[in-house]
Amino acid sequence: DTAVSQTPKYLVTQMGNDKSIKCEQNLGHDTMYWYKQDSKKFLKIMFSYNNKELIINETVPNRFSPKSPDKAHLNLHINSLELGDSAVYFCASSRIGTEPTYGYTFGSGTRLTVV
Amino acid sequence: AQRVTQPEKLLSVFKGAPVELKCNYSYSGSPELFWYVQYSRQRLQLLLRHISRESIKGFTADLNKGETSFHLKKPFAQEEDSAMYYCALRDRGALNFGKGTSLLVTP
Repeated sequence: DTAVSQTPKYLVTQMGNDKSIKCEQNLGHDTMYWYKQDSKKFLKIMFSYNNKELIINETVPNRFSPKSPDKAHLNLHINSLELGDSAVYFCASSRIGTEPTYGYTFGSGTRLTVV
Repeated sequence: AQRVTQPEKLLSVFKGAPVELKCNYSYSGSPELFWYVQYSRQRLQLLLRHISRESIKGFTADLNKGETSFHLKKPFAQEEDSAMYYCALRDRGALNFGKGTSLLVTP
């Protein structure tokens, strides 16, 4: 199946731990993103990478570090997890710079719960 | 600053009634606007984009540059339309989302 896939789907962990969420896309897109959806359902961009290069880095604590080993993967590593990090994290990918410019696909989300 | 405003947090309508979910934006330039839908605990799905002017699941949205609006409309709501709806503006490739409107269609 062509898709954006995230693992794990659910993650429950204790405060202070370090965890990673993985994302892979096989759509041939050149840009990948991480979005955070908080408990109020607000969605906000965290990072975007284009061809392994960081393009957008919104106001996110530096405990969050994205890593893109290649343009099909964008992983999110979180150090020293805090209760406020509990949220659903969505990975997405798109193609830019071509017409039609659209091809924006979301993963199914990773529900992170910090206890 | 680029911004998307969805003034209604929750909208409840009866099945068969018309529905309009409001979206206003501020953007310096030509905006690229979208509507996304998220059914309970599922991924975000693209519903509409203003460029294509298409109609999906009976929903339409017209970009009004004078009023800086991109309201989502459907003439007859169905129960299966109950979901969270997000208006989004594309900026530097990423999507800048409104806070979302939860639509509840009751029988």
